[in-house]
Amino acid sequence: GAGVSQTPSNKVTEKGKYVELRCDPISGHTALYWYRQSLGQGPEFLIYFQGTGAADDSGLPNDRFFAVRPEGSVSTLKIQRTERGDSAVYLCASSFDPQSYNEQFFGPGTRLTVL
Amino acid sequence: GQQLNQSPQSMFIQEGEDVSMNCTSSSIFNTWLWYKQDPGEGPVLLIALYKAGELTSNGRLTAQFGITRKDSFLNISASIPSDVGIYFCAGGHTGKLIFGQGTTLQVKP
Repeated sequence: GAGVSQTPSNKVTEKGKYVELRCDPISGHTALYWYRQSLGQGPEFLIYFQGTGAADDSGLPNDRFFAVRPEGSVSTLKIQRTERGDSAVYLCASSFDPQSYNEQFFGPGTRLTVL
Repeated sequence: GQQLNQSPQSMFIQEGEDVSMNCTSSSIFNTWLWYKQDPGEGPVLLIALYKAGELTSNGRLTAQFGITRKDSFLNISASIPSDVGIYFCAGGHTGKLIFGQGTTLQVKP
């Protein structure tokens, strides 16, 4: 079946603007994760949803970052008042059952550039 | 944020050689996973490990979950040019994954 999809693939914005990044998980996967990857680094955890609720948002760097998953499928990561330091690749992953298995499958990412 | 210690940082080897990389942590993890990432793409899952001491193979790849649950290694046998990429280890705990800094592998034909 189809893998995790993310849109847009690239987003260029100006400092101070608002952006939304979308993730469409693998069908049937109950858990959805957002990570951020800076150049030359491994992905860093941001937030994880089990169903519609955020099970762990401890990785969100500050209150400018917010994510939703209103129907337990598609998720949107929202960044307010973007800063140049927010520039990174934002990765989404999904898994079937995070309690028994933690095999997370990643999308291609959204490259965000804040000018 | 917290990251695992992954080594070596990079490797440049001849095609046909075997490769070994490892990951260590000060924390215990319930799962260890190994991913490969190509430029411009997301990480692709290679191997998942769930029990301390577990040794798992996937084709030319072999990985082990350390007895202490604080480390893991990945071996690639008889490397080929398409093995080129960045390999990441990841430790799983309470849902989220903590990633290493990556090992960049280059293979000379």
